[in-house]
Amino acid sequence: ETGVTQSPTHLIKTRGQQVTLRCSSQSGHNTVSWYQQALGQGPQFIFQYYREEENGRGNFPPRFSGLQFPNYSSELNVNALELDDSALYLCASSTRLAGAAGELFFGEGSRLTVL
Amino acid sequence: DQQVKQNSPSLSVQEGRISILNCDYTNSMFDYFLWYKKYPAEGPTFLISISSIKDKNEDGRFTVFLNKSAKHLSLHIVPSQPGDSAVYFCAAVKTSYDKVIFGPGTSLSVIP
Repeated sequence: ETGVTQSPTHLIKTRGQQVTLRCSSQSGHNTVSWYQQALGQGPQFIFQYYREEENGRGNFPPRFSGLQFPNYSSELNVNALELDDSALYLCASSTRLAGAAGELFFGEGSRLTVL
Repeated sequence: DQQVKQNSPSLSVQEGRISILNCDYTNSMFDYFLWYKKYPAEGPTFLISISSIKDKNEDGRFTVFLNKSAKHLSLHIVPSQPGDSAVYFCAAVKTSYDKVIFGPGTSLSVIP
């Protein structure tokens, strides 16, 4: 059973650029959530995907967008990068039922630095 | 508006003693409360949870207590071990919201 994998692990972008982060969910999981963790803070919910549709969104602007594919993998896209977007981006997968109870399986994250 | 609060950024405990990590919340509608543990360069891992209808849940060395009237929960680790040194996140979820809300974390150091 493979766990949640994310790519890339580290990347550096400049302000105004666009970035795509990728996530493969754990086998058997159909729900993917994305979180942003800034330095010294807890993970902040960006959005969740279930059956290829966005199923809940946190307080993030529209330049944060995502996709879920038929194999339940997912992408997070961020346009017009700002310095404050520098953070660890975490992907978490779950079954629908376990996710509703808060039991998430996280990947190791993608560390984004915006210069 | 921070709905889940962890007021102690760090905690140091001697090996073998009890570690108590505290968490407060503001939303009385949460259905589940959880603790996640995070090592450096790894994603958070689920540790233990408790339903809002219970006041205690135990799993080996880890026990979570919930005081709904005080909107407070705590995680007890007995006995503490050096491998428990990590950042612990308190989290809460209302099943219909489809999002888990995390606190800022408490960094636990267990000293051998």
